Amino acid sequence: RKEVEQDPGPFNVPEGATVAFNCTYSNSASQSFFWYRQDCRKEPKLLMSVYSSGNEDGRFTAQLNRASQYISLLIRDSKLSDSATYLCVVNSFTGNQFYFGTGTSLTVIP
Amino acid sequence: NAGVTQTPKFQVLKTGQSMTLQCAQDMNHNSMYWYRQDPGMGLRLIYYSASEGTTDKGEVPNGYNVSRLNKREFSLRLESAAPSQTSVYFCASSMLAGGYNEQFFGPGTRLTVL
Repeated sequence: RKEVEQDPGPFNVPEGATVAFNCTYSNSASQSFFWYRQDCRKEPKLLMSVYSSGNEDGRFTAQLNRASQYISLLIRDSKLSDSATYLCVVNSFTGNQFYFGTGTSLTVIP
Repeated sequence: NAGVTQTPKFQVLKTGQSMTLQCAQDMNHNSMYWYRQDPGMGLRLIYYSASEGTTDKGEVPNGYNVSRLNKREFSLRLESAAPSQTSVYFCASSMLAGGYNEQFFGPGTRLTVL
């Protein structure tokens, strides 16, 4: 079983829509969680760190459910510039390794 | 601050050739990482260095070696390149090895092995 699993999509949504991505992780002892954004052929860039049960930053909300071992990312009022691949990242029990999901592709349509 | 830099940006090798990918960070981070990214596989950890003077294997270390030259620099060496090593390689750094320590990535090296 993979350490981190994401729905690869693609998600195609109109501008202004709300879209949610889910991510599940297998190690219940995982310590910390992140969402990264990756544009085509570019490096991943940190979008949000997920603290305790969740975190909010403007139009973006991340939530953590430790009991069910999943993390979600909600994007409200989608913009064209939100089109990218979103990576779910989980920090291991030992803290020394980060595990990446394969990413969820989002395209926001005018 | 340049953040994390990597050289070269592109490289084409023939099977059996060797090369070293260079990575440097100017954020005074303790930990550094090498990943490879392949279509449909996500990023996979090759090696990491939790602090200067230490290195450890990640998920896919076979065929690679690393050197943590100093706190700033972490290099990845392919001794005898194989077509299976065709990939995009990313270097990353973070302040600490665990906890809420976000990683910052370099721009990547696109390697093709013929």
